[in-house]
Amino acid sequence: KAGVTQTPRYLIKTRGQQVTLSCSPISGHRSVSWYQQTPGQGLQFLFEYFSETQRNKGNFPGRFSGRQFSNSRSEMNVSTLELGDSALYLCASSPRTGEGADTQYFGPGTRLTVL
Amino acid sequence: ILNVEQSPQSLHVQEGDSTNFTCSFPSSNFYALHWYRWETAKSPEALFVMTLNGDEKKKGRISATLNTKEGYSYLYIKGSQPEDSATYLCASPHYGGSQGNLIFGKGTKLSVKP
Repeated sequence: KAGVTQTPRYLIKTRGQQVTLSCSPISGHRSVSWYQQTPGQGLQFLFEYFSETQRNKGNFPGRFSGRQFSNSRSEMNVSTLELGDSALYLCASSPRTGEGADTQYFGPGTRLTVL
Repeated sequence: ILNVEQSPQSLHVQEGDSTNFTCSFPSSNFYALHWYRWETAKSPEALFVMTLNGDEKKKGRISATLNTKEGYSYLYIKGSQPEDSATYLCASPHYGGSQGNLIFGKGTKLSVKP
């Protein structure tokens, strides 16, 4: 089975621009979560989608948004980029729902640099 | 807000040494505890998911224990090898949240010298 894939792997943008990141979960997985990793803060939860619905959202400004498609693929969008948005963005998929004990399978991440 | 703490922040050991590190989490409303290994330039890889107090899980030379009453988990590596060099993360689901709402500790970075 193919793993979680994320595109693009690297991205350079300038302040004020917007960016869209894409995540394809493992086939059959219905839950997709997004995390931001920065050196100072570690991995922080952004949001989680299941069956095209956002179920949970982390403590991030409204500039961060996402969506999930009927095939479980997910995108996240960051508008009006700020320097502090430079980070590694990780996507993870999980086969079930409502179970905090389910393993999450991570993609390789998208490294976003904001200049 | 759920707070997951890990110690130490980093660890340097020699090949062959055994080592362990700690993950602390609130003992109230415990649901599950996840351990991940994250090697540089790779994706975080799931090691264990633990749910029961007293649980002990093993994968090769790596094992983990769980104490939900006092709110800690230990990860042990027996006979460390250079390929064990990675950051080890623990995480717990936010109370009342789905599995997609993991709260991660900041990790323990392990370096194993040959």
